[in-house]
Amino acid sequence: EVVMTQSPATLSVSPGERATLSCRASQSVSSNLAWFQQKPGQAPRLLIYGASTRATGIPARFSGSGSGTEFTLTISSLQSEDFAVYYCQQYNNWPRAFGQGTKVEV
Amino acid sequence: EVQLVQSGAEVKKPGESLNISCKGSGYDFPTYWIGWVRQMPGKGLEWVGIIYPGDSDTRYSPSFQGRVTISADKSVITAYLHLSSLEASDTAMYYCARQAIGDYWGQGTLVTVSS
Repeated sequence: EVVMTQSPATLSVSPGERATLSCRASQSVSSNLAWFQQKPGQAPRLLIYGASTRATGIPARFSGSGSGTEFTLTISSLQSEDFAVYYCQQYNNWPRAFGQGTKVEV
Repeated sequence: EVQLVQSGAEVKKPGESLNISCKGSGYDFPTYWIGWVRQMPGKGLEWVGIIYPGDSDTRYSPSFQGRVTISADKSVITAYLHLSSLEASDTAMYYCARQAIGDYWGQGTLVTVSS
C-alpha cells in the first residue's frame, strides 16, 4: 500500500509570507493527489485535486504542483484564515491514504 | 446544492457495534463513490473505506478489514458505515465524503466508546 509522508510536521510563518508544504508518496500516484485544509472543529475542505487544479472557490494564492511521488502545496501570501492543518491524499491506488498532516501556525 | 448529512452522535460500550449513516442529496447519488474517514481526537485523517452506490463495489483499509462493512441504499440515497467489536480506541469523529477527490464532506459523527 502507498504511504504518504508530509513535511514539515509544523510550519511557522508570518502573515504575508510564502508557505511551502511537501508530500511524498512511497510509489507513484501519477497526478491523483488532493490537498485538504482543516480548521479546528470543522470538516476538511478540498483545496487542490489532480495535483494542481484548484477546487471551486479556492483563492489563487493556493497552488499545487508535482506528479509521481513528489508534490508541493504553496500558499503564496499567508492570510490569517490560512492557519490550519493541511493534508494530502492519494486516490490512485487502493487503499487510499492520507499524509499525517502539516500544521501551519503563526 | 450538494449535501452530505450524517447521523447524530453515538455513545457505545466496548464490544458493541456502530451504525452511522450519510445521506447524499443534490447530485446523482449512484454515480459517485462515497468514502468514510476517521479522525481520532487530536490526530490526523484515516481512510476507512469506500463504496460505489451504483453497483456496491466496496474497498476497505487493511487497518479496518474484518471489522468494517460499508453499504449503500440508492432508494434512500444513503451510505452506511458499520463497525463491529468497538474498542475505546474507536472513539473518534467519523466523516463521509464524496469521492474520488473529496469535494463534499458530511458534518461528521462523533462516536464515543466508553464503559
